[in-house]
Amino acid sequence: EAQVTQNPRYLITVTGKKLTVTCSQNMNHEYMSWYRQDPGLGLRQIYYSMNVEVTDKGDVPEGYKVSRKEKRNFPLILESPSPNQTSLYFCASSHNRGNQFYGYTFGSGTRLTVV
Amino acid sequence: DQQVKQNSPSLSVQEGRISILNCDYTNSMFDYFLWYKKYPAEGPTFLISISSIKDKNEDGRFTVFLNKSAKHLSLHIVPSQPGDSAVYFCAANGSGGGADGLTFGKGTHLIIQP
Repeated sequence: EAQVTQNPRYLITVTGKKLTVTCSQNMNHEYMSWYRQDPGLGLRQIYYSMNVEVTDKGDVPEGYKVSRKEKRNFPLILESPSPNQTSLYFCASSHNRGNQFYGYTFGSGTRLTVV
Repeated sequence: DQQVKQNSPSLSVQEGRISILNCDYTNSMFDYFLWYKKYPAEGPTFLISISSIKDKNEDGRFTVFLNKSAKHLSLHIVPSQPGDSAVYFCAANGSGGGADGLTFGKGTHLIIQP
């Protein structure tokens, strides 16, 4: 089944303790993105990647890092989490074939709480 | 500065009637527009999209209309069904062909009443 898999689904952590949220897709997509969803703010893009070793900042990148060493994986790293990073996180992937953009497929989300 | 705006946080529609969700945008470089549907505790799921070179796209009960001069798009759902109750996000992509991700609106919570 074609999907984007995020782990973990739920995570409670303490301020300052480094964590990684993993994201993997099995569709051979070039494009991957991370978003956070907060009440009243919709989904905001954190980072995106156009292909292996190519990443760039989205609208709210502060406090996050990403890497794209392999096509299928796009982990989100919080080096020193703070309470304002408590949020619902989504990873997504997509591709473009012959100038046709097929939209993004989203994972099921990771609910992160930083205390 | 919000580039994609959904000005109605919620919308209530009777089952069987038409639901119309609206979206405005400010960035004239946007190339593709998409609608996503989201249930609680799930990721957004793709519903329908439209390229900036078109003004209408249909898929079953869902139709998206694009008015480029007004920088406005709308999603019509006819007829509305109880399973349509969800949060709907309007999203847009720039001229990168999708590579640089999506810009989302804040969402509209659609409630279908029996």
